[in-house]
Amino acid sequence: EADIYQTPRYLVIGTGKKITLECSQTMGHDKMYWYQQDPGMELHLIHYSYGVNSTEKGDLSSESTVSRIRTEHFPLTLESARPSHTSQYLCASSSRSPGQASYEQYFGPGTRLTVT
Amino acid sequence: AQRVTQPEKLLSVFKGAPVELKCNYSYSGSPELFWYVQYSRQRLQLLLRHISRESIKGFTADLNKGETSFHLKKPFAQEEDSAMYYCALSGLTGNKLTFGGGTRVLVKP
Repeated sequence: EADIYQTPRYLVIGTGKKITLECSQTMGHDKMYWYQQDPGMELHLIHYSYGVNSTEKGDLSSESTVSRIRTEHFPLTLESARPSHTSQYLCASSSRSPGQASYEQYFGPGTRLTVT
Repeated sequence: AQRVTQPEKLLSVFKGAPVELKCNYSYSGSPELFWYVQYSRQRLQLLLRHISRESIKGFTADLNKGETSFHLKKPFAQEEDSAMYYCALSGLTGNKLTFGGGTRVLVKP
């Protein structure tokens, strides 16, 4: 079934650790995105990719990095986690279907990260 | 720069009452506007988009370019409408979305 998967769903980790948040999609979409969202707050775009080997920083500055080596995979890495990185991270993908005038973004379930 | 503003953090209404969620935007070109919804313990999902001029789950939204608004309305709220609602805008490329701060809707029985 076409879907977007994020792992882990929850992560509690100590300061200074390196972490990678996984995002994979079987939607066949070329565009993928990472958003950061604090509880009940707005979503901020931190990274996006229009295709393999294409990555761009989003509107909100982030210390994380991303890579896009395969179309379906868009992992996010924090080299040294800090308490300020505590947040929910949402992965999304999109593609314009034939006959559609606009893109629709499909979201994964999110990863809730807590850095102690 | 594009910006989306949702002035209400929380809307509390009784079942059967009308509900209107406000959304104002700023964008120099012709934007595409969307409403996304997040029900409790579920993923963020698209509710409707202005370009489709559709009604989903009884909700409608009209793009008013003069007032730069895209308010979401439903004439008779149901308890299952309780959720977090986000207004979002994309520009000419149609790729990146800018989200508003969200409005939590609570429909009381």
